[in-house]
Formats: sequence, C-alpha cells, structure tokens
Amino acid sequence: QSVLSQPPSASGTPGQRVTISCSGSSSNIGSNYVYWYQQLPGTAPNLLIYRNNQRPSGVPDRFSGSKSGTSASLAISGLRSEDEANYYCAAWDDSLSGVVFGGGTKLTVL
Amino acid sequence: EVQLVQSGAEIKKSGESLKISCKGSGYSFTNNWIGWVRQMPGKGLEWMGIIYPRDSDTRYSPSFQGQVTISADKSISTAYLQWSSLKASDTAMYYCARHSESTVIPDYWGQGTLVTVSS
Repeated sequence: QSVLSQPPSASGTPGQRVTISCSGSSSNIGSNYVYWYQQLPGTAPNLLIYRNNQRPSGVPDRFSGSKSGTSASLAISGLRSEDEANYYCAAWDDSLSGVVFGGGTKLTVL
Repeated sequence: EVQLVQSGAEIKKSGESLKISCKGSGYSFTNNWIGWVRQMPGKGLEWMGIIYPRDSDTRYSPSFQGQVTISADKSISTAYLQWSSLKASDTAMYYCARHSESTVIPDYWGQGTLVTVSS
C-alpha cells in the first residue's frame, strides 16, 4: 500500500486531455513539493514535473502539474501514442523523514 | 550533463552478499543526496534511502533499515548499495537517483541494475 494514492489506470484517445490524480496527507503533499515521473516500458523513470508545476528543459508543455491542499494532478493535453507509460507522483514525507511515491498510473492511449 | 552510470546485472544465490554501484558525473557529487529506489517485477517504485556524500550522513526508509547498507566514496563519485545475505525476495531492478539539493526528491536517475536471486 503506497503512501500516496493514484488510480491504477487511465486512458484516452490521441489528441485528448487526460489527468492523473495523486492524493496524500498533510505530512507529504500538504507541506512539500510534488514531483512527477514518466516511466516508459523497460526504461528508468524520467523527471516530468518538479516543484508541483515546473517542467525540466526538454519536457513538452503538453505536460502540466498542479497542487491543491493534499492532492496533486498531472495533466497531459494533445495525447500522443508515445505518452503510453507509467506515471508516478512523489513527495517528501515529514513524518517518515523520507520520499514517498504513489503506486503508479498506467496510461493507455487507445 | 548529469549522468549516473550503474554497474551491470547480477545473478546470485540466496545467502550470498552483493554490492552494486552508481557513478555520478556532470555535477558536484558532494552537493546532492544520492539514493536508491527498488522496483520489483511488475510493481511500483519504493524509496530505500539516501546518503550525503560530503559527510556520509545516511537515512533509510523504515522498510529497508537493517536490510541493506548504503555507502559512498566521494573520491571517485560513486554510491553503493550492499546486501550481506540476499533473499529471493530481493529480486528486483534497483535504480540510483540523485536527489534535488533543495527538496531532496529524485531528479536524475541511473539506468538501473537488475538483481536476480535464486533460491
């Protein structure tokens, strides 16, 4: 059971906008930044969003992040087949004194 | 360019010891925490712990405390993950990850080291 909760799956058709949620508590998302990672099949995770809503250079602006209270969301607009991957949220947890991850969301592009 | 290069895949037997490595380059190795993340077959990411190479301050997730040892050699910009007695349940992909200086969350990842333990 992961500390951060994500839906196990999400799907959309090419060109659509999809959102993936990440729910936590006051000790993690409620008081710290949220990060998002994309893990393509057979590869290492890659940073997608940092500090709630910042994109590293090279990440398309189709990807955006937001946070409100103890929840966060990743939005992907203009969905493309290459976006099919697993997506994970993460945050520092003050009670555990460590990083906590969501269980991951498998995105399928129909 | 920040790069983390991990050692190669390992096949071991239960009860054996193992130490895998992760060499950082393209940044000042002593300025960032560096740590390890486990991914069991078909499962999600689990944070194991981190080390601050400048002074070797080490933090572990409660789930991994006492099960593994994280160390680093700042003279060669390399972090390590070590087991004294492997179990079949340690079979997984292990990623090293540099952690952001300010937020201590992974920002750059190694390519992964697959550890397979047979009973």
